[in-house]
Amino acid sequence: ETGVTQSPTHLIKTRGQQVTLRCSSQSGHNTVSWYQQALGQGPQFIFQYYREEENGRGNFPPRFSGLQFPNYSSELNVNALELDDSALYLCASSLGQGAGGELFFGEGSRLTVL
Amino acid sequence: GESVGLHLPTLSVQEGDNSIINCAYSNSASDYFIWYKQESGKGPQFIIDIRSNMDKRQGQRVTVLLNKTVKHLSLQIAATQPGDSAVYFCAETPNSGYALNFGKGTSLLVTP
Repeated sequence: ETGVTQSPTHLIKTRGQQVTLRCSSQSGHNTVSWYQQALGQGPQFIFQYYREEENGRGNFPPRFSGLQFPNYSSELNVNALELDDSALYLCASSLGQGAGGELFFGEGSRLTVL
Repeated sequence: GESVGLHLPTLSVQEGDNSIINCAYSNSASDYFIWYKQESGKGPQFIIDIRSNMDKRQGQRVTVLLNKTVKHLSLQIAATQPGDSAVYFCAETPNSGYALNFGKGTSLLVTP
């Protein structure tokens, strides 16, 4: 167990809807990164939050947005869902900015868009 | 396109044998490399990492080799066990950046 918890574990939405995914980081970690993992693929970086600010962003459109709270937990919001958004969404926490430190991944939220 | 790729999508080994999983990368600026293991229904789990100023690093039953000349990374697992069955990903980041670039993964199947 990594100490990173994500909710919900599974959810089904329809095209055009909005979704919020939640992540609690490991105790003492101040950085949260979100990744999207399509079936049979490696995770793809969405963005990273450090001390409540977006620290870096991958190649994802603005309808993917996030928040980090003072307790370092985080949310990923996706608006106007598309079929291709169906994937496993992984949250990873770490201590400090960058990817140089070991990332601790949660078990993910599996989103299905119909 | 992807900067990280794997030579083989699947690898089948017998229990007790050594496993070698290979990975190629294309970004010369990559300076930090990690191997992750992902079991079905779980998130990736850190195995071992290596920085570009090293060419070999050993952990418990695992060894990572880095060849910067040919931009190649490998993970060696000694005495492979059934519990090692999983998908293995290599990941890299350039200039100690904030995002990890993952490859597609190699599925390791350990047979009795």
